[in-house]
Amino acid sequence: GAVVSQHPSRVICKSGTSVKIECRSLDFQATTMFWYRQFPKQSLMLMATSNEGSKATYEQGVEKDKFLINHASLTLSTLTVTSAHPEDSSFYICSARGPVHEQFFGPGTRLTVL
Amino acid sequence: RKEVEQDPGPFNVPEGATVAFNCTYSNSASQSFFWYRQDCRKEPKLLMSVYSSGNEDGRFTAQLNRASQYISLLIRDSKLSDSATYLCVVTQDNFNKFYFGSGTKLNVKP
Repeated sequence: GAVVSQHPSRVICKSGTSVKIECRSLDFQATTMFWYRQFPKQSLMLMATSNEGSKATYEQGVEKDKFLINHASLTLSTLTVTSAHPEDSSFYICSARGPVHEQFFGPGTRLTVL
Repeated sequence: RKEVEQDPGPFNVPEGATVAFNCTYSNSASQSFFWYRQDCRKEPKLLMSVYSSGNEDGRFTAQLNRASQYISLLIRDSKLSDSATYLCVVTQDNFNKFYFGSGTKLNVKP
């Protein structure tokens, strides 16, 4: 299957700082990428849909000013968690939509906010 | 009401057993259906798509029942390596919305 990378894989930061997570599709162009969050023992929750060259579409309850998404190219989308707080600690996973609509997931970023 | 519901399990089965999971979805307009597998602290990986006619891939068989709005996954001859959480996924809005179930945990024991 296609390869999607995420960076960093793990980040620990202080409360109030901002964290940027990168999602790259390595061997295909993805006009659409998705950002999910997963808390322990819970399902993946879609946060937003990122479309190349346009504004992201956020799911209900997700603050767009707190979770900034930029999809500047066909292979890169970034999620910035601004002014992170301990309750933002979670597993953040991106996915890129493939040519027949399947989703290929990145390996995830584990964020811990102290 | 959740878009997708699954029995969280865990299902504890011996090697070689046959095990089946079901998943129900609430929106009759859901368009496509998938099973993903997620290992502990890893990203989900596509296991198989689910078609109305049913489809089989080796030891895995997936079925879709649109009338009753459920999908199923059957695993035959379970292996230790099948131990994982199995996620049911439905899509809506021309693949612009993907909804994940909370997953069913499978433990295959020697």
